[in-house]
Amino acid sequence: AQKITQTQPGMFVQEKEAVTLDCTYDTSDQSYGLFWYKQPSSGEMIFLIYQGSYDEQNATEGRYSLNFQKARKSANLVISASQLGDSAMYFCAMIKDDDKIIFGKGTRLHILP
Amino acid sequence: DVKVTQSSRYLVKRTGEKVFLECVQDMDHENMFWYRQDPGLGLRLIYFSYDVKMKEKGDIPEGYSVSREKKERFSLILESASTNQTSMYLCASSFPADRRHQPQHFGDGTRLSIL
Repeated sequence: AQKITQTQPGMFVQEKEAVTLDCTYDTSDQSYGLFWYKQPSSGEMIFLIYQGSYDEQNATEGRYSLNFQKARKSANLVISASQLGDSAMYFCAMIKDDDKIIFGKGTRLHILP
Repeated sequence: DVKVTQSSRYLVKRTGEKVFLECVQDMDHENMFWYRQDPGLGLRLIYFSYDVKMKEKGDIPEGYSVSREKKERFSLILESASTNQTSMYLCASSFPADRRHQPQHFGDGTRLSIL
């Protein structure tokens, strides 16, 4: 069965440090997309970054980068120089072969001043 | 920028009422989705639509229906609201071309309480 696993329910990180949020996935598809979303306490889901299964380079968007290791089926999100505003829930997600998207259970990130 | 607008941020209704949650997107997306989000359960897909007049059941469609009369609008209907439908509801939309690689863009969510 296809699924997304985020093993860190919560993390506490000092401001300005780099953060790695873990995500592993399970799929038999050859072509798929992986996404990360941020959900602040206000509730909206904000799209952060995308990685295609055939992309050879790791995706980057500003302070966000995706450490994609296809053989290990992992797609970890790295946030450089964390800020207080990065405190939020983070979801890893994958498009399945039936075109639905599945989400991990999320990691709650707390940035400490 | 993509804009997905949900009609209400907060809504309080009574058991047995018929409840309408509206979602409008302004980016000409063919795909639209409704999710509910509950603590410990993550996001679960209720219904989705890949075109006008078309709808497909997601993982938890019981107690819900949807309407897609126009491309930009996707409505979620609680036929007879029950307390176990108290939740955060999120609408999303995306392009269909090479769907597998299209991020879904979300609205701000509706926190629905059924009393």
